[in-house]
Amino acid sequence: EPEVTQTPSHQVTQMGQEVILRCVPISNHLYFYWYRQILGQKVEFLVSFYNNEISEKSEIFDDQFSVERPDGSNFTLKIRSTKLEDSAMYFCASSKLNAGTGGNTIYFGEGSWLTVV
Amino acid sequence: DQQVKQNSPSLSVQEGRISILNCDYTNSMFDYFLWYKKYPAEGPTFLISISSIKDKNEDGRFTVFLNKSAKHLSLHIVPSQPGDSAVYFCAAIIQGAQKLVFGQGTRLTINP
Repeated sequence: EPEVTQTPSHQVTQMGQEVILRCVPISNHLYFYWYRQILGQKVEFLVSFYNNEISEKSEIFDDQFSVERPDGSNFTLKIRSTKLEDSAMYFCASSKLNAGTGGNTIYFGEGSWLTVV
Repeated sequence: DQQVKQNSPSLSVQEGRISILNCDYTNSMFDYFLWYKKYPAEGPTFLISISSIKDKNEDGRFTVFLNKSAKHLSLHIVPSQPGDSAVYFCAAIIQGAQKLVFGQGTRLTINP
């Protein structure tokens, strides 16, 4: 079964450093997402991306965050200047159709665990 | 933001019995609901979904029931197997929107 892959699986970074999390969505999918889960909390939506632009973002996704699809296969999340509270598991996801389309499935990657020290 | 709530943080069921996981929502605009299963250090895996025009959807051992008037859905797993032990997340979305809203999750443990 096709899958969403993410790298790195775990990254430790110093506060204030820039981090790039990478994702390879499923190849025929058109919609891409980032979610995160702070330890012990809910999975939270960060951003959705379609047709080379952000289609929706949450209040968490402030100016410190950016996303990019630099080529035909990768989808990246950049955090410009990390804070302690950015420590979380970050999940990339993709889907063939718009997330809210009935019958559509959103596939998640295994996550990148970010620890900011 | 408590739009989707799973009030039971954990549930323990004997192997072979039925597991029932519950989920409540407050936003009446939600019209598509999904259940995901998550093992430690892995991403959520899609299990089953239901549209608001239905009240039941079945896939093998998994059945999801939706009660729109009560804003409540449940996931039934029967018979429960040890491999079903995981955290189960309920999620909801407004059709046409981009954002899945997740519940807090329920940790299901299947005892042999």
